[in-house]
Amino acid sequence: AQSVAQPEDQVNVAEGNPLTVKCTYSVSGNPYLFWYVQYPNRGLQFLLKYITGDNLVKGSYGFEAEFNKSQTSFHLKKPSALVSDSALYFCAVRTGNTPLVFGKGTRLSVIA
Amino acid sequence: GAVVSQHPSWVICKSGTSVKIECRSLDFQATTMFWYRQFPKQSLMLMATSNEGSKATYEQGVEKDKFLINHASLTLSTLTVTSAHPEDSSFYICSARAEGSGGYTFGSGTRLTVV
Repeated sequence: AQSVAQPEDQVNVAEGNPLTVKCTYSVSGNPYLFWYVQYPNRGLQFLLKYITGDNLVKGSYGFEAEFNKSQTSFHLKKPSALVSDSALYFCAVRTGNTPLVFGKGTRLSVIA
Repeated sequence: GAVVSQHPSWVICKSGTSVKIECRSLDFQATTMFWYRQFPKQSLMLMATSNEGSKATYEQGVEKDKFLINHASLTLSTLTVTSAHPEDSSFYICSARAEGSGGYTFGSGTRLTVV
């Protein structure tokens, strides 16, 4: 069975500082990994994905994530956080055409 | 880019009534759509996979007679919550497979409140 773990319920960071939101996964086969962001009472917005190729993936709004196969991780990073980055972030995984399986989400709070 | 429209964005209904939520792919065809449910401060839980022209595949523990899914065309899937109860109150989100967004584009969600 596929699963995703986001070990932190909440991440707090000062504006301008780098941020990291952690994600680890468990799958059988090759993982397709995703990060989504959700604002209150809204659907999910796609940030970035890893399918194959370079382990460092760059996405929307300055976010990036690094696929680490040995550690089965796909942490989301941004060099300099903005207050507007405050939202709920979901890591997700699938293999082939299976539905996405989501982590429980991490609430990011960027403080001015 | 691929856009999925979900309607309504919020709805309040009385216990015992039924509510229909629509999910439309606006600029692409979606043979498969997914319905998720999200409880407050929790993750998205897959309810069912909707397949155009055939019966939906429900996840374990999801009552198919309560959550009716119809995928009558390549651009429209509907979720009907029948005989709604307050415990059905939740945020429902649909998703369709499309290219360019990691393969899955999400609707904006529907906030259902049953009173």
